[in-house]
Amino acid sequence: GIQVEQSPPDLILQEGANSTLRCNFSDSVNNLQWFHQNPWGQLINLFYIPSGTKQNGRLSATTVATERYSLLYISSSQTTDSGVYFCAVDVRGSTLGRLYFGRGTQLTVWP
Amino acid sequence: NAGVTQTPKFRVLKTGQSMTLLCAQDMNHEYMYWYRQDPGMGLRLIHYSVGEGTTAKGEVPDGYNVSRLKKQNFLLGLESAAPSQTSVYFCASSYVDSFSYNSPLHFGNGTRLTVT
Repeated sequence: GIQVEQSPPDLILQEGANSTLRCNFSDSVNNLQWFHQNPWGQLINLFYIPSGTKQNGRLSATTVATERYSLLYISSSQTTDSGVYFCAVDVRGSTLGRLYFGRGTQLTVWP
Repeated sequence: NAGVTQTPKFRVLKTGQSMTLLCAQDMNHEYMYWYRQDPGMGLRLIHYSVGEGTTAKGEVPDGYNVSRLKKQNFLLGLESAAPSQTSVYFCASSYVDSFSYNSPLHFGNGTRLTVT
């Protein structure tokens, strides 16, 4: 099956710093989604981004489908950005409805 | 709109007991999913459904059964709970867009299950 690898596994930042999270995948995909799991366990969809670049406030994401990776940028990080960031992919040609998740990047932002 | 609602939020079972986790969505989504989340493992797909009356196996289906009798509900059953099923369970839903691709996934808040 497809491999979805996220890096780094852990990231510790001071408030105000910028960061880049990476998601590599081993097969062609129909779409890619980024999620944030907050410290209370809630999973929130951040981006639905099969290709190109999208921005939402301090967060932006870029997917280069031909090179099989996606990047999530967090600028001017805040303590509320802490949590785990997951990417998930929908594999092209596979049964519709199946998403494959990476193991996540644990982000801790200190004040 | 409530979105995706899971019940219960917490449950403790003894080995061999059975239970059903309930998931309801009010967004008229065709697709519904059950995932489990274990430390360091990310989210793994247990079962999913692409429409009312249909179900399919995911990555880790053993020990679980599901039913989708109504479009808005997706039930996950454990017939004989085992300690290995201690986990956090998430339900999610999505729709299929005009390109036949998944829409953004919407998650419930999770059910924390402990099997002793």
